[in-house]
Amino acid sequence: EAGVAQSPRYKIIEKRQSVAFWCNPISGHATLYWYQQILGQGPKLLIQFQNNGVVDDSQLPKDRFSAERLKGVDSTLKIQPAKLEDSAVYLCASSILQRRIGAFFGQGTRLTVV
Amino acid sequence: AQTVTQSQPEMSVQEAETVTLSCTYDTSESNYYLFWYKQPPSRQMILVIRQEAYKQQNATENRFSVNFQKAAKSFSLKISDSQLGDTAMYFCAKETSGSRLTFGEGTQLTVNP
Repeated sequence: EAGVAQSPRYKIIEKRQSVAFWCNPISGHATLYWYQQILGQGPKLLIQFQNNGVVDDSQLPKDRFSAERLKGVDSTLKIQPAKLEDSAVYLCASSILQRRIGAFFGQGTRLTVV
Repeated sequence: AQTVTQSQPEMSVQEAETVTLSCTYDTSESNYYLFWYKQPPSRQMILVIRQEAYKQQNATENRFSVNFQKAAKSFSLKISDSQLGDTAMYFCAKETSGSRLTFGEGTQLTVNP
């Protein structure tokens, strides 16, 4: 079975520019997460989707971050405008909510804001 | 806020030896799930082992086992017969209601030849 796909793997942008990340979860996984992992820290949840609805976005900086999951499959996370402190790895994960077997992660996108 | 604490930022072990990574957590729930994830330099988080809180028996997966102490809210990972490929960052995580994972800060494990 194919895993969680993310692109791009790396992105370097200047502050105040915009950037978008893409995620394709494992087929059949209704739950999709975006995590932010700053260097040397554990991942922190930004947003959780169940199908195409938002379950939790309490930690998402909504003044600059947005995310959508059209049709309940692929998802896009956008940052506009980027700040230096947004430099991090952005991890996408998916799971089957009812089975509670943990989440399966993609390889992440490393964002550097200069 | 629910917290997960890993008090060992770095650990090292000789190849073929055994090492234990520590994790404590805070919760008011009676049933929940705990996980250990491995993150090698490739950055992909890989699920190592899972423990359901209401189960008394400690989970094992080949060379990996846990020591789950529910009353103490402790969840340590034991790696037996350490291999060079075990070198990675290890994260302890707790699944909150709604299936959200809260992670600790991680322990960098280095296996030396």
